[in-house]
Amino acid sequence: DVKVTQSSRYLVKRTGEKVFLECVQDMDHENMFWYRQDPGLGLRLIYFSYDVKMKEKGDIPEGYSVSREKKERFSLILESASTNQTSMYLCASTLDRVGGYTFGSGTRLTVV
Amino acid sequence: LAKTTQPISMDSYEGQEVNITCSHNNIATNDYITWYQQFPSQGPRFIIQGYKTKVTNEVASLFIPADRKSSTLSLPRVSLSDTAVYYCLVGPFPASNYQLIWGAGTKLIIKP
Repeated sequence: DVKVTQSSRYLVKRTGEKVFLECVQDMDHENMFWYRQDPGLGLRLIYFSYDVKMKEKGDIPEGYSVSREKKERFSLILESASTNQTSMYLCASTLDRVGGYTFGSGTRLTVV
Repeated sequence: LAKTTQPISMDSYEGQEVNITCSHNNIATNDYITWYQQFPSQGPRFIIQGYKTKVTNEVASLFIPADRKSSTLSLPRVSLSDTAVYYCLVGPFPASNYQLIWGAGTKLIIKP
């Protein structure tokens, strides 16, 4: 089975800190995604990448950036964390253009 | 962009068949329909995907009528462990300027 691993399950950061959320997949998937999930708002796409060093903005890219230096790793960066970025962050990957996502277990980030 | 509508919640009992319907009136010709299951504090898990007619796998069936404006996820003989939120997702897969829309999901509660 494909495994998508997110480096932390829980994180607490202070306002203004630079935050890195790491995601690694082990099945050579081309496409990787970062979502955030908030109660009542569902899953919202932040960024996605369909190749190394490629990235595309999703619904809500403001305040975030991403990095994909290697195929298996997709990092989400909060340049200056704010309290409204407190959320569950989910990383996902998929092999081809028609296929199901494999999600990681999520990182619950709290910004205080 | 296709938008989906699902019931907010459903109840059923162990051993019963459960059908969850998703409405997607504006589905496009190249859109697929995918269902996911999510347990608390976990990422969504792919269940099944289809384009038209019927698809069946080891855990569920997906029924799609000819007009493709709706779809029904069928879970045979549910157990307590099927209690989860189920999401219907409609869309193609990654391309430039593409954004996915996740519905609010259906909270399914299975009772003993």
